[in-house]
Amino acid sequence: QKEVEQNSGPLSVPEGAIASLNCTYSDRGSQSFFWYRQYSGKSPELIMSIYSNGDKEDGRFTAQLNKASQYVSLLIRDSQPSDSATYLCAAYGQNFVFGPGTRLSVLP
Amino acid sequence: GAGVSQTPSNKVTEKGKYVELRCDPISGHTALYWYRQSLGQGPEFLIYFQGTGAADDSGLPNDRFFAVRPEGSVSTLKIQRTERGDSAVYLCASSLAGIGETQYFGPGTRLLVL
Repeated sequence: QKEVEQNSGPLSVPEGAIASLNCTYSDRGSQSFFWYRQYSGKSPELIMSIYSNGDKEDGRFTAQLNKASQYVSLLIRDSQPSDSATYLCAAYGQNFVFGPGTRLSVLP
Repeated sequence: GAGVSQTPSNKVTEKGKYVELRCDPISGHTALYWYRQSLGQGPEFLIYFQGTGAADDSGLPNDRFFAVRPEGSVSTLKIQRTERGDSAVYLCASSLAGIGETQYFGPGTRLLVL
């Protein structure tokens, strides 16, 4: 069973701080990795995708991938209360596998 | 253009009944996916269509679940002899081409089996 693991949280950070979300995956053949944000009662929406080792930045978000360690992370700079949501990590290898999500709470 | 749409938004049924859930993907997207999500968990993959054919149905939990996409656009997820454990949010997503590309999710159908 291919798995994606995340700390369920909640992760609480003060407004303006950096939030760091982590994810590990078991399928070494995974090729593509995604971070989705899901507000309570809503469907997931894509934040970032990453395919190569290293960092990828998009505005306040930075995704980091380390295939040797089978590790993906998402950094959110200057966290805002509106960033409070569940963040889902997903990996595509043999098929698409989502992690259980990490709940982030940004405190004003 | 419009995003992924799903109908109904909510469905309440009784144990043992048959239900159909509909998904209308983004126009031009050839790939379509069905997931189900239980409270506090991430989406669980059910099935993936590439065009009209099911490219991967390994996530369907048992033979009570079936999905079709006869014309390569709209898809219907069919659940026979529903059980209380089938209660979940059923999410549909589409992507422009193959699996591994960005998926855009619909609002989901919340199914409650009494």
